[in-house]
Amino acid sequence: DQQVKQNSPSLSVQEGRISILNCDYTNSMFDYFLWYKKYPAEGPTFLISISSIKDKNEDGRFTVFLNKSAKHLSLHIVPSQPGDSAVYFCAASAGSNYKLTFGKGTLLTVNP
Amino acid sequence: DAGITQSPRYKITETGRQVTLMCHQTWSHSYMFWYRQDLGHGLRLIYYSAAADITDKGEVPDGYVVSRSKTENFPLTLESATRSQTSVYFCASRRGQGNQPQHFGDGTRLSIL
Repeated sequence: DQQVKQNSPSLSVQEGRISILNCDYTNSMFDYFLWYKKYPAEGPTFLISISSIKDKNEDGRFTVFLNKSAKHLSLHIVPSQPGDSAVYFCAASAGSNYKLTFGKGTLLTVNP
Repeated sequence: DAGITQSPRYKITETGRQVTLMCHQTWSHSYMFWYRQDLGHGLRLIYYSAAADITDKGEVPDGYVVSRSKTENFPLTLESATRSQTSVYFCASRRGQGNQPQHFGDGTRLSIL
């Protein structure tokens, strides 16, 4: 029972273009969503988060959108840079249960 | 700012051996977590701790033991290692209440022969 799904194992975009990474969830109790970025041989690094009371959160080149009715969130990176090439994990938690449930990740490759 | 450190970074051992992975954080965060990352599974929670002397099971706790006698340390022990426990292990921590991200160490790559 996969509660957080990232259906695209990989994504390739050109430098300067927009990268859109998608995530779907099934647990309606999730109320806090996060995106992590991971380089090889390093731990996941927190990128951006959103609470279920919002539908958008922006931080520089990164924007996360939340569609609660569709149980879907997306991460937009504009403009994409070669240094953004990494695995991106979507994660979610429910209330005061601070455990995170992760998706399987999407490998983003930004080509120069 | 040391943050969260894991040791060792790499470990090779044999089936049946006991092995302990260490995790240390300098932020005095209340919560600490252990995850394993396997191909095709993303990160799965093994155990977590809300404070010193308070621990609880995650999604995949079988074969693992944890303790938390001090806030800053959260060791993970495989009492009798099996090949299925070959994985990359990540420790994480976060502040107490409210919506806060977890911050991860760089992981321990464990191979069990």
